[in-house]
Amino acid sequence: DIQLTQSPSSLSASVGDRVTITCRATQDIRNYLNWYHSQPGKAPKLLVCDASTLQIGVPPRFSGSGSGTEFTFTINSLSPEDVGTYYCQHYNDLPVIFGEGTRVEV
Amino acid sequence: QEQLVQSGPEVKKPGASVKVSCTASGYGFIGNYIHWVRQAPGQGLEWMGMVNPSGGGTKYAQKFQGRLIMTSDTSTNTVYMGLSSLRSEDSAVFYCARLIGRKPPSGDSEFWTGYFDLWGQGTLVTVSS
Repeated sequence: DIQLTQSPSSLSASVGDRVTITCRATQDIRNYLNWYHSQPGKAPKLLVCDASTLQIGVPPRFSGSGSGTEFTFTINSLSPEDVGTYYCQHYNDLPVIFGEGTRVEV
Repeated sequence: QEQLVQSGPEVKKPGASVKVSCTASGYGFIGNYIHWVRQAPGQGLEWMGMVNPSGGGTKYAQKFQGRLIMTSDTSTNTVYMGLSSLRSEDSAVFYCARLIGRKPPSGDSEFWTGYFDLWGQGTLVTVSS
Protein backbone atom coordinates (compact mmCIF):
# COMPACT_ATOMS: atom_id res chain seq x y z
CA ASP A 1 0.00 0.00 0.00
CA ILE A 2 1.10 3.54 -0.70
CA GLN A 3 1.76 5.40 2.55
CA LEU A 4 1.67 9.13 3.23
CA THR A 5 3.92 10.99 5.64
CA GLN A 6 2.91 14.44 6.80
CA SER A 7 5.16 17.00 8.41
CA PRO A 8 5.20 18.62 10.78
CA SER A 9 2.92 16.63 13.07
CA SER A 10 1.96 19.85 14.84
CA LEU A 11 2.68 23.55 14.64
CA SER A 12 1.79 26.75 16.41
CA ALA A 13 1.57 30.01 14.50
CA SER A 14 0.16 33.49 14.86
CA VAL A 15 -2.77 35.09 13.09
CA GLY A 16 -1.55 36.32 9.71
CA ASP A 17 1.34 33.87 9.48
CA ARG A 18 1.98 31.70 6.45
CA VAL A 19 1.73 28.00 7.27
CA THR A 20 3.05 25.17 5.12
CA ILE A 21 2.38 21.45 5.52
CA THR A 22 4.14 18.74 3.54
CA CYS A 23 2.81 15.36 2.50
CA ARG A 24 5.13 12.76 1.01
CA ALA A 25 3.99 9.57 -0.72
CA THR A 26 5.98 6.35 -0.85
CA GLN A 27 5.27 6.02 -4.59
CA ASP A 28 4.42 8.32 -7.46
CA ILE A 29 0.74 9.21 -7.13
CA ARG A 30 0.69 11.89 -9.86
CA ASN A 31 -1.80 14.49 -8.61
CA TYR A 32 -4.09 12.00 -6.86
CA LEU A 33 -4.07 13.82 -3.54
CA ASN A 34 -6.64 15.66 -1.44
CA TRP A 35 -6.52 17.82 1.69
CA TYR A 36 -9.08 17.94 4.51
CA HIS A 37 -9.59 20.05 7.63
CA SER A 38 -10.86 18.38 10.79
CA GLN A 39 -12.06 20.03 13.97
CA PRO A 40 -13.35 18.38 17.17
CA GLY A 41 -17.04 17.55 16.98
CA LYS A 42 -17.23 18.24 13.24
CA ALA A 43 -16.95 16.05 10.17
CA PRO A 44 -13.82 16.55 8.09
CA LYS A 45 -14.13 19.14 5.37
CA LEU A 46 -12.60 18.83 1.92
CA LEU A 47 -10.44 21.85 1.06
CA VAL A 48 -8.33 20.83 -1.92
CA CYS A 49 -8.72 18.00 -4.43
CA ASP A 50 -6.46 16.79 -7.21
CA ALA A 51 -3.48 18.28 -5.35
CA SER A 52 -4.25 21.89 -6.25
CA THR A 53 -7.95 22.45 -6.98
CA LEU A 54 -9.60 24.53 -4.30
CA GLN A 55 -13.12 23.46 -3.47
CA ILE A 56 -15.92 25.96 -4.13
CA GLY A 57 -16.44 28.16 -1.10
CA VAL A 58 -13.02 27.53 0.42
CA PRO A 59 -11.21 30.81 1.11
CA PRO A 60 -8.38 31.60 -1.32
CA ARG A 61 -5.84 31.81 1.52
CA PHE A 62 -5.71 28.02 1.23
CA SER A 63 -3.77 26.39 -1.59
CA GLY A 64 -2.23 23.07 -2.57
CA SER A 65 0.58 22.16 -4.91
CA GLY A 66 2.83 19.30 -5.92
CA SER A 67 2.79 16.08 -7.88
CA GLY A 68 4.48 12.71 -7.86
CA THR A 69 5.62 12.11 -4.29
CA GLU A 70 5.89 15.61 -2.79
CA PHE A 71 2.91 17.79 -1.98
CA THR A 72 2.44 21.04 -0.11
CA PHE A 73 -0.55 22.62 1.54
CA THR A 74 -0.35 26.30 2.42
CA ILE A 75 -2.42 28.71 4.45
CA ASN A 76 -1.28 32.14 3.30
CA SER A 77 -2.59 34.22 6.17
CA LEU A 78 -3.62 32.15 9.15
CA SER A 79 -7.01 32.97 10.67
CA PRO A 80 -8.27 31.93 14.12
CA GLU A 81 -10.86 29.61 12.60
CA ASP A 82 -8.12 27.62 10.85
CA VAL A 83 -7.28 25.80 14.08
CA GLY A 84 -7.60 22.05 13.84
CA THR A 85 -5.94 19.11 12.11
CA TYR A 86 -5.18 18.88 8.41
CA TYR A 87 -4.98 15.56 6.59
CA CYS A 88 -3.76 14.59 3.16
CA GLN A 89 -5.38 11.59 1.44
CA HIS A 90 -4.31 9.86 -1.75
CA TYR A 91 -6.60 8.16 -4.25
CA ASN A 92 -4.11 6.39 -6.47
CA ASP A 93 -5.80 3.13 -5.50
CA LEU A 94 -7.50 1.35 -2.62
CA PRO A 95 -7.08 1.19 0.31
CA VAL A 96 -7.76 4.84 0.97
CA ILE A 97 -4.86 6.20 2.99
CA PHE A 98 -4.79 9.37 5.06
CA GLY A 99 -1.68 11.06 6.33
CA GLU A 100 -1.18 11.09 10.09
CA GLY A 101 -2.39 14.67 10.30
CA THR A 102 -0.88 18.04 11.14
CA ARG A 103 -2.32 19.78 14.15
CA VAL A 104 -2.42 23.55 13.75
CA GLU A 105 -2.69 25.83 16.75
CA VAL A 106 -3.29 29.53 16.46
CA GLN B 1 -29.96 20.06 0.08
CA GLU B 2 -27.48 17.23 -0.19
CA GLN B 3 -26.83 15.48 3.07
CA LEU B 4 -25.85 12.27 4.78
CA VAL B 5 -27.59 11.65 8.08
CA GLN B 6 -26.25 8.99 10.40
CA SER B 7 -27.87 7.08 13.22
CA GLY B 8 -27.34 8.02 16.84
CA PRO B 9 -24.65 7.14 19.37
CA GLU B 10 -24.19 3.58 20.53
CA VAL B 11 -22.78 1.99 23.66
CA LYS B 12 -21.75 -1.62 23.32
CA LYS B 13 -20.04 -4.24 25.43
CA PRO B 14 -16.86 -5.96 24.25
CA GLY B 15 -17.67 -8.80 21.90
CA ALA B 16 -20.94 -7.28 20.75
CA SER B 17 -21.81 -5.95 17.30
CA VAL B 18 -22.92 -2.51 16.14
CA LYS B 19 -24.76 -1.37 13.04
CA VAL B 20 -24.63 2.26 11.98
CA SER B 21 -26.82 3.68 9.24
CA CYS B 22 -26.18 6.52 6.83
CA THR B 23 -29.15 7.92 4.88
CA ALA B 24 -28.58 10.04 1.81
CA SER B 25 -30.86 12.77 0.54
CA GLY B 26 -30.78 15.54 -2.02
CA TYR B 27 -28.81 13.66 -4.70
CA GLY B 28 -28.91 10.49 -6.77
CA PHE B 29 -28.07 7.81 -4.21
CA ILE B 30 -26.86 5.10 -6.57
CA GLY B 31 -24.49 7.41 -8.39
CA ASN B 32 -21.79 7.57 -5.73
CA TYR B 33 -19.92 5.09 -3.56
CA ILE B 34 -20.23 5.55 0.19
CA HIS B 35 -17.09 5.10 2.27
CA TRP B 36 -16.72 4.74 6.02
CA VAL B 37 -13.96 6.43 8.00
CA ARG B 38 -13.45 6.30 11.73
CA GLN B 39 -11.60 8.51 14.18
CA ALA B 40 -10.66 7.20 17.59
CA PRO B 41 -10.23 9.71 20.42
CA GLY B 42 -7.12 11.78 19.82
CA GLN B 43 -6.27 9.78 16.71
CA GLY B 44 -6.30 10.39 12.98
CA LEU B 45 -8.67 9.38 10.23
CA GLU B 46 -8.79 5.68 9.43
CA TRP B 47 -10.44 4.28 6.32
CA MET B 48 -12.59 1.22 6.92
CA GLY B 49 -14.16 0.38 3.60
CA MET B 50 -16.69 1.26 0.96
CA VAL B 51 -19.91 0.11 -0.66
CA ASN B 52 -21.25 0.81 -4.11
CA PRO B 53 -25.00 1.41 -3.72
CA SER B 54 -25.44 0.40 -7.35
CA GLY B 55 -24.90 -3.33 -7.17
CA GLY B 56 -23.68 -3.58 -3.59
CA GLY B 57 -20.02 -4.16 -4.36
CA THR B 58 -17.75 -3.68 -1.37
CA LYS B 59 -14.09 -3.29 -0.47
CA TYR B 60 -12.84 -3.43 3.10
CA ALA B 61 -9.57 -2.48 4.75
CA GLN B 62 -7.48 -5.55 5.49
CA LYS B 63 -7.55 -5.02 9.26
CA PHE B 64 -11.36 -5.30 9.38
CA GLN B 65 -11.72 -8.34 7.15
CA GLY B 66 -14.00 -10.88 8.72
CA ARG B 67 -15.81 -8.56 11.12
CA LEU B 68 -17.01 -5.73 8.89
CA ILE B 69 -20.04 -5.73 6.64
CA MET B 70 -21.34 -2.86 4.54
CA THR B 71 -24.68 -3.00 2.78
CA SER B 72 -26.95 -0.62 0.93
CA ASP B 73 -30.72 -0.35 0.60
CA THR B 74 -31.72 1.59 -2.50
CA SER B 75 -35.38 1.69 -1.42
CA THR B 76 -34.47 3.91 1.54
CA ASN B 77 -31.24 5.48 0.23
CA THR B 78 -29.46 4.05 3.24
CA VAL B 79 -26.07 2.45 3.69
CA TYR B 80 -25.26 0.32 6.72
CA MET B 81 -21.94 -0.39 8.39
CA GLY B 82 -21.82 -3.37 10.73
CA LEU B 83 -18.82 -4.15 12.90
CA SER B 84 -18.71 -7.27 15.04
CA SER B 85 -16.50 -8.64 17.84
CA LEU B 86 -16.13 -5.13 19.22
CA ARG B 87 -13.23 -4.30 21.51
CA SER B 88 -12.39 -1.17 23.46
CA GLU B 89 -10.03 -0.04 20.70
CA ASP B 90 -13.04 0.22 18.36
CA SER B 91 -14.43 3.14 20.36
CA ALA B 92 -14.50 5.98 17.87
CA VAL B 93 -16.57 8.38 15.84
CA PHE B 94 -17.63 6.69 12.64
CA TYR B 95 -18.29 8.78 9.54
CA CYS B 96 -19.87 7.92 6.23
CA ALA B 97 -18.68 9.96 3.26
CA ARG B 98 -19.70 10.32 -0.36
CA LEU B 99 -17.05 9.65 -2.97
CA ILE B 100 -16.68 11.80 -6.04
CA GLY B 101 -14.90 9.54 -8.49
CA ARG B 102 -11.80 11.03 -10.11
CA LYS B 103 -9.74 7.98 -11.11
CA PRO B 104 -11.49 5.13 -12.91
CA PRO B 105 -10.89 1.46 -12.16
CA SER B 106 -7.62 0.14 -13.55
CA GLY B 107 -5.43 -2.89 -13.22
CA ASP B 108 -6.46 -4.95 -10.21
CA SER B 109 -8.81 -2.28 -8.89
CA GLU B 110 -12.48 -2.56 -9.81
CA PHE B 111 -13.55 0.63 -8.11
CA TRP B 112 -13.33 4.34 -8.77
CA THR B 113 -11.30 6.42 -6.34
CA GLY B 114 -11.38 10.14 -5.66
CA TYR B 115 -12.28 12.57 -2.94
CA PHE B 116 -14.93 12.79 -0.21
CA ASP B 117 -17.05 15.88 -0.67
CA LEU B 118 -20.00 15.16 1.61
CA TRP B 119 -19.79 13.66 5.10
CA GLY B 120 -22.27 12.45 7.65
CA GLN B 121 -22.34 14.11 11.04
CA GLY B 122 -20.57 11.18 12.67
CA THR B 123 -21.74 8.45 15.05
CA LEU B 124 -19.99 7.89 18.36
CA VAL B 125 -19.60 4.24 19.22
CA THR B 126 -18.36 3.49 22.71
CA VAL B 127 -17.21 -0.01 23.59
CA SER B 128 -17.04 -0.51 27.32
CA SER B 129 -17.77 -3.21 29.84
